[in-house]
Amino acid sequence: EDQVTQSPEALRLQEGESSSLNCSYTVSGLRGLFWYRQDPGKGPEFLFTLYSAGEEKEKERLKATLTKKESFLHITAPKPEDSATYLCAVRGAGSYQLTFGKGTKLSVIP
Amino acid sequence: DSGVTQTPKHLITATGQRVTLRCSPRSGDLSVYWYQQSLDQGLQFLIHYYNGEERAKGNILERFSAQQFPDLHSELNLSSLELGDSALYFCASSDPGGGNEQFFGPGTRLTVL
Repeated sequence: EDQVTQSPEALRLQEGESSSLNCSYTVSGLRGLFWYRQDPGKGPEFLFTLYSAGEEKEKERLKATLTKKESFLHITAPKPEDSATYLCAVRGAGSYQLTFGKGTKLSVIP
Repeated sequence: DSGVTQTPKHLITATGQRVTLRCSPRSGDLSVYWYQQSLDQGLQFLIHYYNGEERAKGNILERFSAQQFPDLHSELNLSSLELGDSALYFCASSDPGGGNEQFFGPGTRLTVL
């Protein structure tokens, strides 16, 4: 059974204070690791897909990295508008559905 | 805007009732997925349809059913509703020839009183 654990559950940062969110996973035959951003009461918004260890993707102040057991979402010099819940999900071999972690709620204080 | 639409946005009903949630995928996407999000469980996969056929089931209750129509829109039917069914219900769609990315709709918030 695929499993995803995200830490920390919540993170408060001062504006400009860089940090990282962690996503640990176990999956049978990784077919993709996904990061989403979710604002309260909204649908998850796709950010990145990573496929293999060593892969990195960047978008504005966000950078996602992948190892064989973990993924990190690095946030550089965050702004208040980066406040949201960040979700990590995996897709395993033989299936198309995603298994999600419970998310990290990020609050960036001005 | 992901291009996935869901209606209604909010639904308030009573225990024992039946409701239908509707989803239209992005143009060209053949797959539709349904997920349930509650405060304590996070996002949980319910069911996957591809071009009208059921492909996979997750932790979907027997009281719940879904279908995908020839025009590719999908409906999730929830019956004999219980208080615990109150949650956000999302559908997502994906491109059959592209990557694995799933694009989510805005969700339907179901409240069972």
